[in-house]
Amino acid sequence: AQTVTQSQPEMSVQEAETVTLSCTYDTSESDYYLFWYKQPPSRQMILVIRQEAYKQQNATENRFSVNFQKAAKSFSLKISDSQLGDAAMYFCAYRTQGGSEKLVFGKGTKLTVNP
Amino acid sequence: GEEVAQTPKHLVRGEGQKAKLYCAPIKGHSYVFWYQQVLKNEFKFLISFQNENVFDETGMPKERFSAKCLPNSPCSLEIQATKLEDSAVYFCASSRRLASGAYRDTQYFGPGTRLTVL
Repeated sequence: AQTVTQSQPEMSVQEAETVTLSCTYDTSESDYYLFWYKQPPSRQMILVIRQEAYKQQNATENRFSVNFQKAAKSFSLKISDSQLGDAAMYFCAYRTQGGSEKLVFGKGTKLTVNP
Repeated sequence: GEEVAQTPKHLVRGEGQKAKLYCAPIKGHSYVFWYQQVLKNEFKFLISFQNENVFDETGMPKERFSAKCLPNSPCSLEIQATKLEDSAVYFCASSRRLASGAYRDTQYFGPGTRLTVL
């Protein structure tokens, strides 16, 4: 079974600075998707970014980018120019290809942004 | 609609009572997923549907949990005889098959239903 590990329960960053959230996963599959979801205090799950395992190029979405290292099974999220609105729980998730394609989540990292 | 809708937002039940949660997927999405987020923030997959057919129910505690997705109706998740440990936020997510037909698209989440069992 696939597992996702987020080793940083909490992180903090100064406004306008850059922060990197770590995520590692374990799988024997070669084709899969990886996601970062943001969950603010409202509990709404918001998709931040996704990466297809067969694509070598790292995904980027505005201030958010990933460092995907397939061989190392690592998928970190970099937030540049951090804003107060970035404060939230961030969840890394793995999705199988085929079958139910359920999401397997890490335990989350709580990001605090200091003014 | 353009968003996954979940009702109610909050539900309070006494231990042993029944709880029923509803989910309307995004229009055009034929896949529905239910997840449970307990107070420690951990997510647990419960069940998935392709239209009205159960696709994967490996996460469901079958003794007390049941779910349906019927045509022209919101999907539902029902818990018979709730227990204290059922207190959680229950999320519904939906996705569509990609135009290529190969795999399903990203899952989009509803706002969740917070169930409190007293």
